[in-house]
Amino acid sequence: ETGVTQTPRHLVMGMTNKKSLKCEQHLGHNAMYWYKQSAKKPLELMFVYSLEERVENNSVPSRFSPECPNSSHLFLHLHTLQPEDSALYLCASSQDSRQGGNIQYFGAGTRLSVL
Amino acid sequence: AQKITQTQPGMFVQEKEAVTLDCTYDTSDPSYGLFWYKQPSSGEMIFLIYQGSYDQQNATEGRYSLNFQKARKSANLVISASQLGDSAMYFCAMRGPYGQNFVFGPGTRLSVLP
Repeated sequence: ETGVTQTPRHLVMGMTNKKSLKCEQHLGHNAMYWYKQSAKKPLELMFVYSLEERVENNSVPSRFSPECPNSSHLFLHLHTLQPEDSALYLCASSQDSRQGGNIQYFGAGTRLSVL
Repeated sequence: AQKITQTQPGMFVQEKEAVTLDCTYDTSDPSYGLFWYKQPSSGEMIFLIYQGSYDQQNATEGRYSLNFQKARKSANLVISASQLGDSAMYFCAMRGPYGQNFVFGPGTRLSVLP
């Protein structure tokens, strides 16, 4: 079983749809992250959760709504998205979000296309 | 604000040769962490190597080594004995002393030629 698992791997949705991305980590970590990777742009940190509490929200539009019910699971709820939201969404986890040396381990991502 | 620069959009290397991928960074924090990740076409971001700003020795992990030059603010990745499976995007990243401001560079696409 891989360390960080993301589902679905691919998602196509219309602008009026509501969908959710799921991330699960099996590494015993207590911090989880959502990133957005668009074509020809650096990886962008969206949200950080530490001990199930959101500790960072980098000016992400409200059409993206994260949820962290426990330290092993992280969701990203999507609604009324725009075509420019099409991207690869990566989830990561680490032991502690507040230590500089902690390594983040990533999932394989969900490739989202908004029509 | 922290910033990572990777000036090589693409690199080619012959199989079994060594290659150096450049990374320079900018930060005002005296304590920070530097990372390299590999992203194959499958999309997963794979951790390769880590260097702390106060580490005295350059980090090494198998065929990967990090050429850390603190005064020049550079953290180049050296891959020895390149393999076809090394073809991927490579990202340099850094974090602040308390884990904040995790920033990635734009990446370098490495192609290993047979």
